[in-house]
Amino acid sequence: DIQMTQSPSSLSAAVGDRVTITCRASQNINYYLNWYQQKPGKAPKVLIYSVSSLQSGVPSRFTGSGSGTDFTLTITSLQPEDCATYYCQQSFSSPPTFGGGTKVEIK
Amino acid sequence: EVQVLESGGGLVKPGGSLRLSCASSRFIFSNYTLNWVRQAPGKGLEWISSISISSSYIYYSDSVKGRFTISRDNSKNSLYLQMNTLRGDDTAVYYCATLRVSGTYEYFHHWGQGTLVTVSS
Repeated sequence: DIQMTQSPSSLSAAVGDRVTITCRASQNINYYLNWYQQKPGKAPKVLIYSVSSLQSGVPSRFTGSGSGTDFTLTITSLQPEDCATYYCQQSFSSPPTFGGGTKVEIK
Repeated sequence: EVQVLESGGGLVKPGGSLRLSCASSRFIFSNYTLNWVRQAPGKGLEWISSISISSSYIYYSDSVKGRFTISRDNSKNSLYLQMNTLRGDDTAVYYCATLRVSGTYEYFHHWGQGTLVTVSS
């Protein structure tokens, strides 16, 4: 199975800050990398698919980049409603696997 | 408005069985490969099973293989998960999710709100 490693596991930032979350795959996953946002008590919601494609309705402050094994989710200007846990997920090979999550809090 | 709804969760003793259901009032399930993804309390997301549109292709994670059975009824726009020989580490919120697929991407698109399964004596 492909292992997905996210860092950091949690972070605290101020409103307006630029926030970066990293995801590393244990092997090359090409561009089959997705990002999800999960708020407490809610189901995950896809933010970005295929490394950098923004899901319809998702604010443009969310951007994704990377290739091969190293990927990044960036929130360019953190907003209070962005408090959530973020997960990366690879869909390159079965079984699909998720990173351990990054909890984002407002300072 | 709940668009995908799971049901059937609850408290069950170790070794027991439970059947989860998932239905949608909005999405035509017969257009999608369907999946079950679970989340243990305070933990991350774990994919456990998928079933293709015609039920021809079925996959399980190693953690549930041989104990869980996924099925679907497209005429009822429904997805099921029969869970047998339940263990404490099966305690989790279980989500159903549609899979959106193209040649260049594949991701979990529409999710239900989840149903909690608690395995405890």
